[in-house]
Amino acid sequence: DTAVSQTPKYLVTQMGNDKSIKCEQNLGHDTMYWYKQDSKKFLKIMFSYNNKELIINETVPNRFSPKSPDKAHLNLHINSLELGDSAVYFCASSQDRVGGYTFGSGTRLTVV
Amino acid sequence: GEDVEQSLFLSVREGDSSVINCTYTDSSSTYLYWYKQEPGAGLQLLTYIFSNMDMKQDQRLTVLLNKKDKHLSLRIADTQTGDSAIYFCAAVGGYNKLIFGAGTRLAVHP
Repeated sequence: DTAVSQTPKYLVTQMGNDKSIKCEQNLGHDTMYWYKQDSKKFLKIMFSYNNKELIINETVPNRFSPKSPDKAHLNLHINSLELGDSAVYFCASSQDRVGGYTFGSGTRLTVV
Repeated sequence: GEDVEQSLFLSVREGDSSVINCTYTDSSSTYLYWYKQEPGAGLQLLTYIFSNMDMKQDQRLTVLLNKKDKHLSLRIADTQTGDSAIYFCAAVGGYNKLIFGAGTRLAVHP
């Protein structure tokens, strides 16, 4: 069973479109995150939710809207996609710092 | 806020040891992590160290922590071609978020 699963794995879309990426974790963790990895492999946190409550909202354009229907799911909706949104988006979850953070396999978003 | 820095490239010969270095700024970071990313893949947690430890060994991996200098290193013994990947050092910042270094690209050649 995959611990943190993201769908889709690849997403190619045109500028201006709206798209969503879904994430689910079956680890029973309380906290979930979205990270963005750019073309130079830099990883930066975007959002985190703890038990469905938004904890971290880094300086992300408001075209990005996370939604957590329950503590096992954290989805990312992106409106009016731009070329600069092209990146790999990673979902992660954690329970406590000892166990570390478990990452999904990533969603490669390409905006054309 | 927390900042994490790593050297960007390391090239080693197969069978040699690799040492990847990392520095961080926030001394209150209680855990420090090493993640591995293979091409086209996600992030795999390799190991972590608690801030009150100086060293942790796990098979071919040895993590050394110098709290005074805020320096962390990952040593891979007997490096193999399968170890070629990007290695990320990460510290915990405010609100339990992971702050990553830029990643060290390890290339292993015969």
